[in-house]
Formats: sequence, C-alpha cells, structure tokens
Amino acid sequence: DAGITQSPRHKVTETGTPVTLRCHQTENHRYMYWYRQDPGHGLRLIHYSYGVKDTDKGEVSDGYSVSRSKTEDFLLTLESATSSQTSVYFCAISVGPGNTEAFFGQGTRLTVV
Amino acid sequence: AQKVTQAQTEISVVEKEDVTLDCVYETRDTTYYLFWYKQPPSGELVFLIRRNSFDEQNEISGRYSWNFQKSTSSFNFTITASQVVDSAVYFCALRETSGSRLTFGEGTQLTVNP
Repeated sequence: DAGITQSPRHKVTETGTPVTLRCHQTENHRYMYWYRQDPGHGLRLIHYSYGVKDTDKGEVSDGYSVSRSKTEDFLLTLESATSSQTSVYFCAISVGPGNTEAFFGQGTRLTVV
Repeated sequence: AQKVTQAQTEISVVEKEDVTLDCVYETRDTTYYLFWYKQPPSGELVFLIRRNSFDEQNEISGRYSWNFQKSTSSFNFTITASQVVDSAVYFCALRETSGSRLTFGEGTQLTVNP
C-alpha cells in the first residue's frame, strides 16, 4: 500500500461547472501524477508535479489545471467541465530507486452531464 | 517520442491454457524502464514488474514470466496455466530516464473462461 487516497471516488457534475479532484499521499514522495483512462486510449498523462509548486503539463492538459501547495496533496481542477472530460482519473506517485516505480490511487470516476 | 503498442485488444482463453500478451515499444533513450500493470474488474491498477533496459535477463514469478528483447523492442508477458482470477486488463508502460512520465499502451483485455 503506497498510501495514496483519491477523493471523491465518484462524482457527477454538470457541464460548465468547475470540479476539483484531490490526491493525498502519506509518504512524502516527490513525484505525483494525474492520468485519465478512457477506452481505447489506455492511461494518458494530464499533469505531473516534481515538488511543491513545481508542475508540468502532460499530453492531455487542455482544460485542466493543477496545484501542489503541500508535498502530500496534488489537486486537479477542471476549470469548466465538459462531457469529453467524463473519464476515470488516476493519481500516481513515483517511488523506489530513481523514482522509477509508479503506484496508483484507486481512481475517481467523473461523469459530466 | 516514446510509444507503447499493445496490438492485442482482447484475448480469450480457457482456464489452464498458457497466454502471452505482447508489448512493443519505441524510444530514443538508451536507458529506460518497462512495466506491466494489471487492472482487475474492481478498477485499481496493480504493479506487476519493472525491468531496466540494461538488464535483458528474463524474469519468472510464479505463473508469470516476462521476456524482454531489446533487439525487437519487445517486453512480452506470459501467464502459464491461466486461472479465472487472471481475467483483467493488462497494461504495458515505458519510462525514459530523460523524462519522468510513464507512457502506457492501450491495454489488453484478458478473459479466462472456466
């Protein structure tokens, strides 16, 4: 158990509303990631963080922003939710030598109606 | 740019059969890491193995084995004597040392029928 908690686990929201997903870790790992999982696409990186206030974009970052004000929390915000953002969102941390191994949270299923 | 291809979208086998899941990758780095993850119907992602690019030794863990071949850029996963509990989506992933992100393949849905 890598000590990763995602909240909420399920959410239904309306188009145009902002939504924030939270990822919390208990073990002080430096690297944290947000991925989305969609059928036929595997997992795609949205944003990642390599330290407090240090973040960078992934391959599908449009429409998303992130913040990391504390080591343990990495927030993903959908600024104005759209139906194309209906997905399962996974948070991950990197652990091990060279931070090479990634462990994932349980996922958040988000539905935008 | 790095890329991972899992050409088998779905595989269906009968219990006790052996099954191999294919993974082909592309990278310009000479040093990189390859991974396999399992996603059972419950949805969580379970880490199975990490392999370094400089270590081509094959690995066996119980009924699971992995065949890493740099010459063909492949990292295939074999389940011996499959069981119903092996039914899941399996993902192959690549991480270059020049970056800090994992790139995933599209996944292979394995169904093991009793």
